Amino acid sequence: AQKITQTQPGMFVQEKEAVTLDCTYDTSDQSYGLFWYKQPSSGEMIFLIYQGSYDEQNATEGRYSLNFQKARKSANLVISASQLGDSAMYFCAMRPLTSTASKLTFGTGTRLQVTL
Amino acid sequence: NAGVMQNPRHLVRRRGQEARLRCSPMKGHSHVYWYRQLPEEGLKFMVYLQKENIIDESGMPKERFSAEFPKEGPSILRIQQVVRGDSAAYFCASSPPPPETQYFGPGTRLLVL
Repeated sequence: AQKITQTQPGMFVQEKEAVTLDCTYDTSDQSYGLFWYKQPSSGEMIFLIYQGSYDEQNATEGRYSLNFQKARKSANLVISASQLGDSAMYFCAMRPLTSTASKLTFGTGTRLQVTL
Repeated sequence: NAGVMQNPRHLVRRRGQEARLRCSPMKGHSHVYWYRQLPEEGLKFMVYLQKENIIDESGMPKERFSAEFPKEGPSILRIQQVVRGDSAAYFCASSPPPPETQYFGPGTRLLVL
């Protein structure tokens, strides 16, 4: 079984500052993928970034980077230079990297509010 | 390049009615997943389908819920005899053959009165 824990129900950050959203996970799988999704108030789920368990380098996508610490089982999302449009719910998720076990397991989310 | 399409976006049903939710995957994707999001919660996996096959339905309630992905046409999530507890957002995602990234549709918000 897999489990994702997001311990920050809500976070505030000032515009143009960086913010880290925490995510820890638990799994018995040797090979797995970690994902972050953004859910704005309009409700859709937007894929942000992916990290494979065997990737040696931390993933980056524009202003998003994933701080992957395998030994600590953490996959924190870092958003640099926050913008007002970053205000949303953020979900961490994971899945095994096998063809048959394809379901994503999600955390409970962190609500980020970017302020002026 | 259209993304994952879901319709309707909003659906209101009275208790005891049937709800039918549709999902058209992204072009080139033959794998579809359904998730449910209760208010103020994360998404919970329901079912994983390929064309004409249910691969994993471990998250589906045993009664009243069914899903299909026919050879032609969209994937359908059907909820029979809806109850108030079925009120939620239902998301469909699609992907190429796993373990590729799943991309989500905009969701269907079901409200049961």
